[in-house]
This record gives sequence, C-alpha cells and structure tokens, in this order.
Amino acid sequence: SAVISQKPSRDICQRGTSLTIQCQVDSQVTMMFWYRQQPGQSLTLIATANQGSEATYESGFVIDKFPISRPNLTFSTLTVSNMSPEDSSIYLCSAQTNPYGYTFGSGTRLTVV
Amino acid sequence: SQELEQSPQSLIVQEGKNLTINCTSSKTLYGLYWYKQKYGEGLIFLMMLQKGGEEKSHEKITAKLDEKKQQSSLHITASQPSHAGIYLCGVKGQGGSEKLVFGKGTKLTVNP
Repeated sequence: SAVISQKPSRDICQRGTSLTIQCQVDSQVTMMFWYRQQPGQSLTLIATANQGSEATYESGFVIDKFPISRPNLTFSTLTVSNMSPEDSSIYLCSAQTNPYGYTFGSGTRLTVV
Repeated sequence: SQELEQSPQSLIVQEGKNLTINCTSSKTLYGLYWYKQKYGEGLIFLMMLQKGGEEKSHEKITAKLDEKKQQSSLHITASQPSHAGIYLCGVKGQGGSEKLVFGKGTKLTVNP
C-alpha cells in the first residue's frame, strides 16, 4: 500500500504567521485530501486537491486562509495563513490510492501562540 | 448529508476484556471504513466493509456491516494495551463524492 510522508510532524508558530505543510506520496495518486482535527474532535475535511485543477474547498474553509498546491501526482502542500490560536489543530493529508483505499499521513500537530 | 454517530464516545476496559464499538449512519450504508488513530498521529486503516452482512477480521478485531440497521460494529477480543487509541468509522460522501466523512470517534483505553 502507498506511504505518505508528511512534514513537519509538529510546530509551534506565532500568531499572524503562516505555516506550509507538505505531503509526499510514494506513488502517483489522482485525489488528495486535507483534513483538520481540532482538539478532542473528529476529522473535518478542508479541501480536495486534484492535480492540474483548483482545490475544492468545503463549506467554512476558504482559499485565502488555506491555500493548497498540487503540482504533480505525488505531492501537495497546505498553507495555514495568518494563524490565530483557533488554528491550533492536527492537520492530516490523505490520498485515494485505489477506488476503495485511502492512506493518511502521520499528521502535523500545530500550536499557535 | 450523511452523518455517522459512534458509540460509546469513550471506553475504558481492563486488559483481556472484549469490547464493541458501534457506528450508526443517518442514511443507507453502501460501504464503511474503520480506522484507528494513535493519539495525535495519523490514521491506520483497519478494514473496509462493502456489503450488507459482510464481516471481516484482522487479528483480534472483527467488523460487521448491518445494512438494514444502517450500522457497523467493531469488536475486539481479549483487548491489549496496544489496542488503545481512537477508532473512527468513515463513509464516502454522498452523490459520488470520493471524500471520506468520519464519525466523532471512540476513544479506547485499555488498562493493564
């Protein structure tokens, strides 16, 4: 099965700054997904990222706050912009590795101070 | 939109005990995923159930899909501390969407 390397694993950032999270998949995948997991909560989908097209954002998430890049079939980045303490969460990327298979990265634990 | 309700929200068991986690859907289930998450880490795929009545097992974990009840259960036999974590059920979004939608999770603690 596919393996996703997600970086950084954790970071502590100052409010007002931005952080870019990277996910590298060891095989080509069409669809990648970015999730947020707030403390004690389940996963909430931020956006779906397909190579060669704009990311599709879920309700409540906007491109200015969470810009996403998908330059090729093995890589994607999520930027959390102009951070506030409310952005403190775990951010996870996922890839659809076959029609019924989804692999997840190990997550990025973000703390905004 | 389809919603998944998991019960219980949290569970504390003694090592060696059996336990069951349930996932109930607000709509018909056409397939369901079970994942495990170690605290603060990524998700580990456990099983995917596609058909009503389907049952799958991996080591000491068994999952079943009851289509009529719009429910899936995850059963762990003779629990071990290594089973501790958050168990999440998920389904594909409606209307042919490929995204996964998750329940709120069940936090399992296994005391030695």
